[in-house]
Amino acid sequence: RKEVEQDPGPFNVPEGATVAFNCTYSNSASQSFFWYRQDCRKEPKLLMSVYSSGNEDGRFTAQLNRASQYISLLIRDSKLSDSATYLCVVNMNNAGNMLTFGGGTRLMVKP
Amino acid sequence: DAGVIQSPRHEVTEMGQEVTLRCKPISGHNSLFWYRQTMMRGLELLIYFNNNVPIDDSGMPEDRFSAKMPNASFSTLKIQPSEPRDSAVYFCASSFGRQFFGPGTRLTVL
Repeated sequence: RKEVEQDPGPFNVPEGATVAFNCTYSNSASQSFFWYRQDCRKEPKLLMSVYSSGNEDGRFTAQLNRASQYISLLIRDSKLSDSATYLCVVNMNNAGNMLTFGGGTRLMVKP
Repeated sequence: DAGVIQSPRHEVTEMGQEVTLRCKPISGHNSLFWYRQTMMRGLELLIYFNNNVPIDDSGMPEDRFSAKMPNASFSTLKIQPSEPRDSAVYFCASSFGRQFFGPGTRLTVL
């Protein structure tokens, strides 16, 4: 079993749609969670951290369910520019900075 | 800010050759990471330095791979001898809290 699992997609949605991505992680002791965005042939960039109480940043909402070891990302009113691969990321060692990346979910927003 | 700088951006070499990838982290960051990304395996952590000291190299695939960080502003990842299965994008990232990635080196071993 992979340490961080995601549906690879692709998710093909029309502009303006709401889309949700899910992710599960294997280490119940993990403390820090993130969503990164990676555009084609570019480096990953931090999209947002995920907090226990859930958090929102504009059209993006992240949720964490520790009991189910499940993380989600919701994108509302999707834009063409949201097309990218979204990486679920977990800090499993809790001692600092070691991140474990999921395989990514590819999103394609169509006009 | 310059961000994390990696060189070269692209490298094409023949099997058996030595390859050296270079990274300059963001000034003031105390941690540096080398990752490899392929379609099959995704993004994998190879090695992690904290204050120039290697902390975890369990992701280094085999003895052909080595990494050094002689000072706070420079790191290298060396593959010797290179093999076609080493073809991938190699990212360097640095952090003081949040991780920032460099643009990557796209390596092709023929």
